[in-house]
Amino acid sequence: DAGVIQSPRHEVTEMGQEVTLRCKPISGHDYLFWYRQTMMRGLELLIYFNNNVPIDDSGMPEDRFSAKMPNASFSTLKIQPSEPRDSAVYFCASSLGLAGGRNEQFFGPGTRLTVL
Amino acid sequence: AQTVTQSQPEMSVQEAETVTLSCTYDTSESNYYLFWYKQPPSRQMILVIRQEAYKQQNATENRFSVNFQKAAKSFSLKISDSQLGDTAMYFCAFNTNAGKSTFGDGTTLTVKP
Repeated sequence: DAGVIQSPRHEVTEMGQEVTLRCKPISGHDYLFWYRQTMMRGLELLIYFNNNVPIDDSGMPEDRFSAKMPNASFSTLKIQPSEPRDSAVYFCASSLGLAGGRNEQFFGPGTRLTVL
Repeated sequence: AQTVTQSQPEMSVQEAETVTLSCTYDTSESNYYLFWYKQPPSRQMILVIRQEAYKQQNATENRFSVNFQKAAKSFSLKISDSQLGDTAMYFCAFNTNAGKSTFGDGTTLTVKP
């Protein structure tokens, strides 16, 4: 398996623009997680899905952020409109489950977002 | 809510020596999971070791081992025979059965030749 795939790896955009980050989880993994990493706030869980259904989005910072998972092999995190404070590395991760030996999260390489 | 505290922002160790990274956490959950992740300069997050809270035996993975003290809510990582490739930021993480993940702020470890 190729692991968790994220695109793009780097994104530079201007304030006010819409940004879409993409993730392909590992095949067979039922859980998908979106994280944001910044120097100030560290690594934060934004939202996670189980079988394509959002389970907990309490970490989503504000209404400008939205995430979807239309099928088991694809998820998007959208920011509209983007602001400079959204600049961060965004990680996607997936796991087989939440408990026991199934809850190891496999991370993608991340997307470094810069909003000018 | 869970909190994870890593009190050592930076550490260094000589190659082949042993180093211990500390982590404490706070939770009211009775069953949970603890992890150590490594993030090298490539920024890829890599799982180093995992511990289930209901297991008393400390987890070990080759040169990496943990000292899990449930009553003290402490979960330290020991790296033996440190190698240059161990240079990275290390994150302690806490997971509940409900999928809530909380990460510490990380410890930057430098292995010196």
